[in-house]
Amino acid sequence: GAGVSQSPSNKVTEKGKDVELRCDPISGHTALYWYRQSLGQGLEFLIYFQGNSAPDKSGLPSDRFSAERTGGSVSTLTIQRTQQEDSAVYLCASSLNPASSLETQYFGPGTRLLVL
Amino acid sequence: GNSVTQMEGPVTLSEEAFLTINCTYTATGYPSLFWYVQYPGEGLQLLLKATKADDKGSNKGFEATYRKETTSFHLEKGSVQVSDSAVYFCALRTGGFKTIFGAGTRLFVKA
Repeated sequence: GAGVSQSPSNKVTEKGKDVELRCDPISGHTALYWYRQSLGQGLEFLIYFQGNSAPDKSGLPSDRFSAERTGGSVSTLTIQRTQQEDSAVYLCASSLNPASSLETQYFGPGTRLLVL
Repeated sequence: GNSVTQMEGPVTLSEEAFLTINCTYTATGYPSLFWYVQYPGEGLQLLLKATKADDKGSNKGFEATYRKETTSFHLEKGSVQVSDSAVYFCALRTGGFKTIFGAGTRLFVKA
């Protein structure tokens, strides 16, 4: 497909379990972003990958959250020991030239995570 | 720090009504401003953008004008349709990669 894809689309898990969320960016896009969208809240920046540079993890809310990007393409966001407050929609976006302030980010449909 | 404030929703309108969704921002420097739209079951997509004062972004009948004096970027449409029902996000970017989003405004358009 031509767009950003994410999987799974929905995930229900029990408190304390680990979850992995996957993002496939648009082919050729060097920049990849993860955001969290909680109910009634705006998008909260989590982490940013650009090419081979070290990722900017400044938005990760705790050390239970981590992400990696293999081969400059697919990214996985991992949440360890999930808590109920982790319930949200996790959005991935990619862009071609992040150095430009005009750069358009292309978003995936998101993964809706529910922690029981 | 940089921030975006937009009107709380939901906003409910009848078809063909005039739409305004207010957005104001706080930023250092000269940000680029964006409106994104999220249709039900879909990802966010860019609706329009503006890069400097007095620029007007427009797309699909929607418009927003970058007002530096009032630090605003209000979204308008003259005649909404049922298909415009979605969540609308105002956002800014001041260079670098970080985009700051507002909380979103849900729009319902009734036939």
